[in-house]
Amino acid sequence: GAVVSQHPSWVICKSGTSVKIECRSLDFQATTMFWYRQFPKQSLMLMATSNEGSKATYEQGVEKDKFLINHASLTLSTLTVTSAHPEDSSFYICSARDWVAEAFFGQGTRLTVV
Amino acid sequence: QKEVEQDPGPLSVPEGAIVSLNCTYSNSAFQYFMWYRQYSRKGPELLMYTYSSGNKEDGRFTAQVDKSSKYISLFIRDSQPSDSATYLCAMNNAGNMLTFGGGTRLMVKP
Repeated sequence: GAVVSQHPSWVICKSGTSVKIECRSLDFQATTMFWYRQFPKQSLMLMATSNEGSKATYEQGVEKDKFLINHASLTLSTLTVTSAHPEDSSFYICSARDWVAEAFFGQGTRLTVV
Repeated sequence: QKEVEQDPGPLSVPEGAIVSLNCTYSNSAFQYFMWYRQYSRKGPELLMYTYSSGNKEDGRFTAQVDKSSKYISLFIRDSQPSDSATYLCAMNNAGNMLTFGGGTRLMVKP
């Protein structure tokens, strides 16, 4: 199946700093990528839809200035958590749309803000 | 009421048992149905994908979709401890975003 690579797999950062997470589709071109957040023992919560070459579409309640999304190419989308705070600590997962429509996920990034 | 309902479990079974995981949904427009397996601290992994009603088998896994009842199932035969994970059902209409169930945590005991 298609491969989506996400980096880093885990990151610890100080409060107030910014963290960038990369999501790459390795063997297909993804016009649309999705970013999710997942809290322990809960399902995935869609944060935003990232379209190549245009602005991301954010879900209600997600701060676009806090979670910056860039989809500069058909194989790469990035999520930057700006001025991170401990409440931003979470598991972030990206997925990329294949012909099945959003079937493949990255490995996830565990962010811990101290 | 959630659009997709899934029992959170945990579901605990002995090794070798047949596992039945289920989801119900309310949106009759859903056409594509998927099951994902998610290990702790990992991204979801696509297990099975089914279009419309019917059965699909892949090794020890069988996915069933009953659109008339708005009910989908995943069966795991000869369950193994390595099958212990959270299983997420997901579904969508073509071109639309996936709607996930809440996930069922499965524990297979040796």
